[in-house]
Amino acid sequence: ETGVTQTPRHLVMGMTNKKSLKCEQHLGHNAMYWYKQSAKKPLELMFVYSLEERVENNSVPSRFSPECPNSSHLFLHLHTLQPEDSALYLCASSQVKGYNEQFFGPGTRLTVL
Amino acid sequence: LAKTTQPISMDSYEGQEVNITCSHNNIATNDYITWYQQFPSQGPRFIIQGYKTKVTNEVASLFIPADRKSSTLSLPRVSLSDTAVYYCLVGDHRGSGNTGKLIFGQGTTLQVKP
Repeated sequence: ETGVTQTPRHLVMGMTNKKSLKCEQHLGHNAMYWYKQSAKKPLELMFVYSLEERVENNSVPSRFSPECPNSSHLFLHLHTLQPEDSALYLCASSQVKGYNEQFFGPGTRLTVL
Repeated sequence: LAKTTQPISMDSYEGQEVNITCSHNNIATNDYITWYQQFPSQGPRFIIQGYKTKVTNEVASLFIPADRKSSTLSLPRVSLSDTAVYYCLVGDHRGSGNTGKLIFGQGTTLQVKP
């Protein structure tokens, strides 16, 4: 998994905790994405960054706060989450925004107690 | 992005050829057809992309008829490790004004049996 890496791979947190998910891509891509995949549901796009600028926020609650300090790194800051936020959070990157060939990381399995 | 319809699940046996068909009646002129594979608790993996006729790579073939209203992903001689969910997506891959919004449906769960 040298293309897109995500840490941590598993995270358990309480509703009052603050945590962050990290994504790093080693592909020289200019666009990065956060997706959420809940049990037995399709992947849902959350955020899109292109050249470090957020270009899409897909009606995501403010308890999820993305950050893209440079084109290789993407963070998802989490605070006061709800149990229904438990899901697999996937990061992806592509050469440019809009490119159908996106490269996904292994995901972070998040459990909110 | 055009809506896609594909079977919820399929079963096959090792060594068989598997064909998964996807319907996309509202495909636009600039849209490409892309297939992804996803194993449990992993991110999806790009398999193949095409615009018309036939595309083949080391993993699969993609057949697209002239009207482009459907497409068929063909996996030759599947093995147990091909058990996964397969997603068909349709959209304009050329970027520019596109924000990169891939819309994943429910996909087709392929179960390969020994």
